[in-house]
Amino acid sequence: GIQVEQSPPDLILQEGANSTLRCNFSDSVNNLQWFHQNPWGQLINLFYIPSGTKQNGRLSATTVATERYSLLYISSSQTTDSGVYFCAVPGGSRLTFGEGTQLTVNP
Amino acid sequence: ETGVTQSPTHLIKTRGQQVTLRCSSQSGHNTVSWYQQALGQGPQFIFQYYREEENGRGNFPPRFSGLQFPNYSSELNVNALELDDSALYLCASSLDSQTGELFFGEGSRLTVL
Repeated sequence: GIQVEQSPPDLILQEGANSTLRCNFSDSVNNLQWFHQNPWGQLINLFYIPSGTKQNGRLSATTVATERYSLLYISSSQTTDSGVYFCAVPGGSRLTFGEGTQLTVNP
Repeated sequence: ETGVTQSPTHLIKTRGQQVTLRCSSQSGHNTVSWYQQALGQGPQFIFQYYREEENGRGNFPPRFSGLQFPNYSSELNVNALELDDSALYLCASSLDSQTGELFFGEGSRLTVL
């Protein structure tokens, strides 16, 4: 099945800093989702981005499907951005998730 | 909020017992998927239901079973609970069984003692 790798596994930032999270996948895909998992466990949809670039406030994402990677940019980070960020790609009826990036934003 | 609701939010069971978890999908969505998330890992696909039929299954034993009802709500049943079944169980709904965007509920956190 498809493999999904995320990097870095852990990231610690000071409030106000910018960051880039990466997601590599092993096969061609027709969509990709980025999620933020809050401390209570809920997966919050950030982006549904098969290709190209999307922006939502301080967050943006770019997927380059031909090169099998996606990037999530967080600008001017805030403490509320802390949590685990997952990317996930479909394979048949399932989503395959990466292992996530644990982001900690310190005040 | 995603419009996907799960119950119960937390529960504790003992080894060998059975558990039923419930999920109501977002309005208009006909596809429900279940995922298991162990501590420190990404969610793992259990199975998907599309129009009341199982439509794909991950690497989980038969003691994990499910149902989808005519209103597209769903249940996940786990028999003969084992300690390793302790996890967060996530339900997701989507418009499309293959490529649609998934929306997740808040999860049911199961502890098996």
